[in-house]
Amino acid sequence: DVKVTQSSRYLVKRTGEKVFLECVQDMDHENMFWYRQDPGLGLRLIYFSYDVKMKEKGDIPEGYSVSREKKERFSLILESASTNQTSMYLCASSLLDGSGSLFFGSGTQLSVL
Amino acid sequence: GQQVMQIPQYQHVQEGEDFTTYCNSSTTLSNIQWYKQRPGGHPVFLIQLVKSGEVKKQKRLTFQFGEAKKNSSLHITATQTTDVGTYFCAGPEKGYSTLTFGKGTMLLVSP
Repeated sequence: DVKVTQSSRYLVKRTGEKVFLECVQDMDHENMFWYRQDPGLGLRLIYFSYDVKMKEKGDIPEGYSVSREKKERFSLILESASTNQTSMYLCASSLLDGSGSLFFGSGTQLSVL
Repeated sequence: GQQVMQIPQYQHVQEGEDFTTYCNSSTTLSNIQWYKQRPGGHPVFLIQLVKSGEVKKQKRLTFQFGEAKKNSSLHITATQTTDVGTYFCAGPEKGYSTLTFGKGTMLLVSP
């Protein structure tokens, strides 16, 4: 069964902390994505990557960075967490062909206090 | 940039009633995808439509892609409590491997 695994289901951090959200996929997909989901705002793309060491900004990249050192792993980094980054974070992957569907991880509910 | 709008935002039906959600894009789409997210869950891919005017069925779910490839609909016949969740449509950004999602329609089904 194909899988996108996010390292934590729930995470509580303090303002100013550096936060790492990890995502691993076992489908050999080229594309990987980080979304955040907030009530009433839907799914918003933060960053995506179409290859190792490649990254592209999405719609809301401010306050975030990413790392893709290996094909199967895509990390989202909050350099200095703020309360407005409290959200559900969803990782997804897909084949390089843009017509492919997304496979999502179970999500990480991050609370920044 | 591309915008994808969905209506309604929310619908509450009695079990057995039908349900429809509509999706409209500001641009012509090469394809449209539909996802379902159960409460507390993550979005799960349901289907992809590619051809103008395409209609696909999955049991009680009927998906349509408009002739102009700018709109789509999902119709559920005789809803069940297992249909509860948020339904998202999504279309690819031109030239990118990313999808633009609608804000979703939350469906609540009362027994």
